[in-house]
Amino acid sequence: SQQGEEDPQALSIQEGENATMNCSYKTSINNLQWYRQNSGRGLVHLILIRSNEREKHSGRLRVTLDTSKKSSSLLITASRAADTASYFCATDGQGAQKLVFGQGTRLTINP
Amino acid sequence: DTEVTQTPKHLVMGMTNKKSLKCEQHMGHRAMYWYKQKAKKPPELMFVYSYEKLSINESVPSRFSPECPNSSLLNLHLHALQPEDSALYLCASSQADREAFFGQGTRLTVV
Repeated sequence: SQQGEEDPQALSIQEGENATMNCSYKTSINNLQWYRQNSGRGLVHLILIRSNEREKHSGRLRVTLDTSKKSSSLLITASRAADTASYFCATDGQGAQKLVFGQGTRLTINP
Repeated sequence: DTEVTQTPKHLVMGMTNKKSLKCEQHMGHRAMYWYKQKAKKPPELMFVYSYEKLSINESVPSRFSPECPNSSLLNLHLHALQPEDSALYLCASSQADREAFFGQGTRLTVV
């Protein structure tokens, strides 16, 4: 069974706007990761946030983690057409090597 | 070198065929993974190898047979597959408790 649930399932915004995606999970975790996937190809790692961290930044990406609510969010600021992709959260809550993915959010950036 | 290389990129096979998918990494990662991904779904974990030993098998049918010949290579042997096994097969590698690096996947079609 999938560990993470994401919302929204699909998001369409205008270029330049911010995009926020949310992820909820069920069990305790060591870390939570976000990945991007373009057109059904390989996944690219974006950010890893550990359970003792609350917020992490990488360029235009900001990830928050609330372990009390078992939830995380990914914010992409100043979106670009190239950000169009599917975004997945993944958790290791069922074992350090058992990386389990959420359902994903399909993000479309309209020029 | 932060690449995970998968071959072939595309594979069409009949239900009586035997084929193999190959995965290679030279990052010194000691954990390697096989995931299966259907269209518009998240990747589903199939197998995990840790230090060249099979550590996780997610109840995958025996028509899928993984092999880890050495610390850089991972194979997935396919035999007597069904049309519903058609999917994108992703290989990944990681160090313990770190992000995973994914290959571009093999698009498998079973006819």
